[in-house]
Amino acid sequence: LAKTTQPISMDSYEGQEVNITCSHNNIATNDYITWYQQFPSQGPRFIIQGYKTKVTNEVASLFIPADRKSSTLSLPRVSLSDTAVYYCLVGEDNQGGKLIFGQGTELSVKP
Amino acid sequence: GAVVSQHPSWVICKSGTSVKIECRSLDFQATTMFWYRQFPKQSLMLMATSNEGSKATYEQGVEKDKFLINHASLTLSTLTVTSAHPEDSSFYICSAREGGRKETQYFGPGTRLLVL
Repeated sequence: LAKTTQPISMDSYEGQEVNITCSHNNIATNDYITWYQQFPSQGPRFIIQGYKTKVTNEVASLFIPADRKSSTLSLPRVSLSDTAVYYCLVGEDNQGGKLIFGQGTELSVKP
Repeated sequence: GAVVSQHPSWVICKSGTSVKIECRSLDFQATTMFWYRQFPKQSLMLMATSNEGSKATYEQGVEKDKFLINHASLTLSTLTVTSAHPEDSSFYICSAREGGRKETQYFGPGTRLLVL
């Protein structure tokens, strides 16, 4: 399974744009990249998913370079409620879609 | 759409008893469900993969006789912690993979288990 590496923690202030980069050097051809958000004592919440280039939805953007060995989650104008742990995952469909969670990035948004 | 529920949300039990946790996909059919365990301040650890109508596949180090998984329908999977002990106290989370979109998993809210 493709291993992912993210910064352990990040700090930001309300209203700023936050970019969290994830490395996945061993990503396979069929793998998608998915980002989840987790608040304490809750299950992870799906944020965004992509395969290549750029994907945008109502909460975030995902930038994936051509070599797909990394990806960047961009959160525009964060608020205090965006304080959470963010996980980058790469799934292998030939293993039944199994996802292995890394350590995640603990984002702290300050007023 | 893509809602996954878990029941109960929390449970306290005595050591030696068995506890069953249910995971349901409410608005889609899930051919595959996954069970995770999460200890405080740690990441999620995959325990097993559950496919409807077949035996679960357990990750290395997870005792299949202790953590019984049943995936009897396309919307329900259950995890039974047998003869629970205090070290089994944890946050158990399930996820379901939406049919037709294999790469996306949706997670339940989790079940907090405390074994006294």
